[in-house]
Amino acid sequence: DTAVSQTPKYLVTQMGNDKSIKCEQNLGHDTMYWYKQDSKKFLKIMFSYNNKELIINETVPNRFSPKSPDKAHLNLHINSLELGDSAVYFCASSQVDSSNSPLHFGNGTRLTVT
Amino acid sequence: GDSVTQMEGPVTLSEEAFLTINCTYTATGYPSLFWYVQYPGEGLQLLLKATKADDKGSNKGFEATYRKETTSFHLEKGSVQVSDSAVYFCALISNAGNMLTFGGGTRLMVKP
Repeated sequence: DTAVSQTPKYLVTQMGNDKSIKCEQNLGHDTMYWYKQDSKKFLKIMFSYNNKELIINETVPNRFSPKSPDKAHLNLHINSLELGDSAVYFCASSQVDSSNSPLHFGNGTRLTVT
Repeated sequence: GDSVTQMEGPVTLSEEAFLTINCTYTATGYPSLFWYVQYPGEGLQLLLKATKADDKGSNKGFEATYRKETTSFHLEKGSVQVSDSAVYFCALISNAGNMLTFGGGTRLMVKP
C-alpha cells in the first residue's frame, strides 16, 4: 500500500510547455505539501494545503499553481516551463494537529526541462 | 526565522566505522526535531525524532539526543553498513507553526 504516491516518476519536456504532476495520499492526513529539491539536494517548501485551502505559498513564480480537488489530492501544474525548473519535486502529507507530526513523502518526480 | 544547519558532505566511511553527522538549529520556543533519510531514487523517510529537551530518538541503530543547551541534534551510529549510504536531513517543526524546516542534507557513503 503506497501512502503518498505521485505521478509521473520522470518527466522530460521542452521549455515553454505546460505540465502537471499528480499527488495522492491514502493516510487520511489533512495537510499536503510540495517541495522542490535541487541538484545539490537542498529542499525548499513550495506550497502547503490544509483541507483543500492554501496555507503556505513561498516565493514561487506564479507559473506554478497547486490544485487540491479534495484533501487526499494535491496536484502541481506548471506553465511555461523554464530550464531552471529542472529538479525533483516531492509531495508530502501530515496530520497538522500535532506539532510533532512527521511528514510522509512520495518518491519524487524528476522533471527535466530541455 | 527557523533554520537548521548540518555539516556538509559527503561523509565517506568504511563499513563498521562510527558515524556522527552534526546538526544545530535556530528556532523560537521548543521545536520538535527530526532526522530524515533519503535513499537513492526515493523520497524522504522519517528516521527518528525527539520532541523535548534531553529526549533521545533512536531507530535502526541510529541515535540523536535533543540538546537544548547547545541547540543540537547530532546523528550517531556505532557501526555503519553499506546499506546506510544515503542522504540524511535534519529538520525541525517549531511550536509556532506546522512547517518542517530542513537542513541542507548530508550525503553518507559507506564503502565495504
